[in-house]
Amino acid sequence: EAGVAQSPRYKIIEKRQSVAFWCNPISGHATLYWYQQILGQGPKLLIQFQNNGVVDDSQLPKDRFSAERLKGVDSTLKIQPAKLEDSAVYLCASSLESGDYGYTFGSGTRLTVV
Amino acid sequence: AQSVSQHNHHVILSEAASLELGCNYSYGGTVNLFWYVQYPGQHLQLLLKYFSGDPLVKGIKGFEAEFIKSKFSFNLRKPSVQWSDTAEYFCAVITYNTDKLIFGTGTRLQVFP
Repeated sequence: EAGVAQSPRYKIIEKRQSVAFWCNPISGHATLYWYQQILGQGPKLLIQFQNNGVVDDSQLPKDRFSAERLKGVDSTLKIQPAKLEDSAVYLCASSLESGDYGYTFGSGTRLTVV
Repeated sequence: AQSVSQHNHHVILSEAASLELGCNYSYGGTVNLFWYVQYPGQHLQLLLKYFSGDPLVKGIKGFEAEFIKSKFSFNLRKPSVQWSDTAEYFCAVITYNTDKLIFGTGTRLQVFP
């Protein structure tokens, strides 16, 4: 079974620039999650999708972050404009459905904002 | 708000030493508990999980964890570590009222030959 694919692996941008991350979950997984992992901290949930609908985005800084999951498969997470404190690893995870706790995580995108 | 505490931020051991990593959570209701491992340069992988039943849970690679409800704890143990266990370990919890996986801050384990 293929894992959760994320790209790019690394990204360096200047503050106030915009950036986008892409995630392709495991085939058939209805639920998709984006987590932010700041150095020295545990992953923090940003947004949860069930198919192409948002289940929980209470921790997403909506003034600069946006995410979509068109057609209920791939997802993109965008930051515009980026701030220094956005430097982190952005993890994507998927599971068969909400309430199924068999999360599979991708390798993440390491973002550095300078 | 629910939270997960991992008391050991950095643990250094020699091979064959025994390991115990602490994890406490703050929630009085029913929980599902997890330990994840992240090897250098790799993605998070599930080590073990507790949903119900026997509070002593055995996972992959010789790891086990014990759920002690009265102490709100889910400590990870391994009787004899190997150099290949060098990684970051995360405790996580899902509570029935949130359905969200909440992680602790992680413990970095370094094992020296």
